[in-house]
Amino acid sequence: EVQLVESGGGLVKPGGSLRLSCAASGFTFSSYTMSWVRQAPGKGLEWVSSISSSSTYIHYADSVRGRFTISRDNAKNSLYLQMNSLRAGDTAVYYCARILATHLDQWGQGTLVTVSS
Amino acid sequence: ENVLTQSPGTLSLSPGERATLSCRANESVSSSYLAWYQQKPGQAPRLLIYGASSRATGIPDRFSGSGSGTDFTLTISRLEPEDFAVYYCQRYGSSRFTFGQGTKVEIK
Repeated sequence: EVQLVESGGGLVKPGGSLRLSCAASGFTFSSYTMSWVRQAPGKGLEWVSSISSSSTYIHYADSVRGRFTISRDNAKNSLYLQMNSLRAGDTAVYYCARILATHLDQWGQGTLVTVSS
Repeated sequence: ENVLTQSPGTLSLSPGERATLSCRANESVSSSYLAWYQQKPGQAPRLLIYGASSRATGIPDRFSGSGSGTDFTLTISRLEPEDFAVYYCQRYGSSRFTFGQGTKVEIK
């Protein structure tokens, strides 16, 4: 069974940093492109970033480019999102998701990030 | 900028009725690059349809997708109680994913 389990969320002050992790199991993690998608409270889904299987290709949404860094450790079956210079507008549930070609076929349950003073 | 507009914002229907959800793109989308998701309160999204019309694993056949170009449709033939949720369309392009704003299907 495919499992994606996010962790690392919490309350952080504006301008602060946070590192999210996603532990993957039940599939060959190193073969898949992975992504982070977020959802602000009561709002829709927003793609944040994607990373190819060997970390060769990395893409970011304009809203986070220069502040967030996606990475992965295939030996640990883990995906990460380093978030710096956090703003109130970054408050959201952050989902880790597996990319299958042009869609997101498996999702974690999400971790809540709250940016507030 | 890729934009997906979903309509209606809210659909009020009774169990057993047919639901028709629309997703319109501001520029043409390859059918291969259009997907639909279902999200229930407090849960992660679940993939329903990919490639505009292919059902994901385990998705009941009452869910169907259609369309091409800039206009796509998700149809639920007969609503079951567990189908009341929010539905999102998604397009892939230029190594990015764009979501529509969602359609809420609520019990009338």
